[in-house]
Amino acid sequence: GNSVTQMEGPVTLSEEAFLTINCTYTATGYPSLFWYVQYPGEGLQLLLKATKADDKGSNKGFEATYRKETTSFHLEKGSVQVSDSAVYFCALSFTDKLIFGTGTRLQVFP
Amino acid sequence: EADIYQTPRYLVIGTGKKITLECSQTMGHDKMYWYQQDPGMELHLIHYSYGVNSTEKGDLSSESTVSRIRTEHFPLTLESARPSHTSQYLCASSEWRDSGANVLTFGAGSRLTVL
Repeated sequence: GNSVTQMEGPVTLSEEAFLTINCTYTATGYPSLFWYVQYPGEGLQLLLKATKADDKGSNKGFEATYRKETTSFHLEKGSVQVSDSAVYFCALSFTDKLIFGTGTRLQVFP
Repeated sequence: EADIYQTPRYLVIGTGKKITLECSQTMGHDKMYWYQQDPGMELHLIHYSYGVNSTEKGDLSSESTVSRIRTEHFPLTLESARPSHTSQYLCASSEWRDSGANVLTFGAGSRLTVL
């Protein structure tokens, strides 16, 4: 079946550090891939997406590249801020429904 | 700005009570969804709808029910709440973009605690 696997958290970083959150997927075919972010006490927000192989999604300094050969969609940011502290969800979709990973909590300290 | 609204944000009730979680969106989206988020953060799809008078069960079995009488409104009901229903419930809606990606817009969630 289709599934998403994310690295377990929490990920703890100092401000301005480099961030990588790993995400790999299993799917029959070529899904669209997403990163959503959930700030404390809020719902999920779309952070970025990619709809085909080699596409790079980017937003707010975050980037992720759709890698078909490694079935991966790792999230990266060059310099994190305290305000980036949140839970990050990787997800895939073929049509109407999203399949989410288990989420990775990021904690950034000053 | 939130275009999808959930009420109540927090609810604490006793076992056996009937509760309805409200969800409304102003974007005219046809598709709407309910996700249950457990304390470990994992999200499970429990209900979805493709439009008025359309409701389907999701991947996780749930004792809740939903209705879709109006495009903008997708309430979730528990006839008799139990402690095992304690969770956060997230409502979402979506439109199919030209890019081929189904992008969901989420509400802020309703956190339910059943004593």
